[in-house]
Amino acid sequence: AQKITQTQPGMFVQEKEAVTLDCTYDTSDQSYGLFWYKQPSSGEMIFLIYQGSYDEQNATEGRYSLNFQKARKSANLVISASQLGDSAMYFCAMREPESSASKIIFGSGTRLSIRP
Amino acid sequence: GAVVSQHPSRVICKSGTSVKIECRSLDFQATTMFWYRQFPKQSLMLMATSNEGSKATYEQGVEKDKFLINHASLTLSTLTVTSAHPEDSSFYICSARQTSSYNSPLHFGNGTRLTVT
Repeated sequence: AQKITQTQPGMFVQEKEAVTLDCTYDTSDQSYGLFWYKQPSSGEMIFLIYQGSYDEQNATEGRYSLNFQKARKSANLVISASQLGDSAMYFCAMREPESSASKIIFGSGTRLSIRP
Repeated sequence: GAVVSQHPSRVICKSGTSVKIECRSLDFQATTMFWYRQFPKQSLMLMATSNEGSKATYEQGVEKDKFLINHASLTLSTLTVTSAHPEDSSFYICSARQTSSYNSPLHFGNGTRLTVT
């Protein structure tokens, strides 16, 4: 069975610093997808970035980048130049192999707090 | 803008009553929608996969008679919490993929906070 592990329940970072949120996963499938979502206190889930298991380059989206190390089964999210608005819960998620109804499972999340 | 609309955003009901939550995909058709539940300070737990025109697929441990799912059209899925009890109080959030491509992320509604008194 697939599993997503986020070992950092909470993190505090000074504004403008970079931060890395850890995510490891476990799967026996060769084809899978990895996602990161942000959940502010208001509750909505905001999609940040995606990495496919066959993608050779690390995904980047603005200040977000994904440090994908396939052999170690890790997909850490890196946020550069953190801002106060980055304070939120962050969830790593994995999608099962491609199918018409493949579901996404989530890790336990990391609460990121940015200090001014 | 939002691609998935969920309603209501907040509902308070009395124990024993039923509550219906709607999830609509905007400007796209969703043959599959997903319903998640989130307890305070916890992760999202997948409850069921809603399939248009057929029965929902429930995750292990989720009571299908308690949480009724209807996906009657390509843009609407509903979750009905029947005979609600205080332990059903939670944050319920639906999601759908805008396209069927593998890298298409889930787009989420804004969630429904259910409080059962």
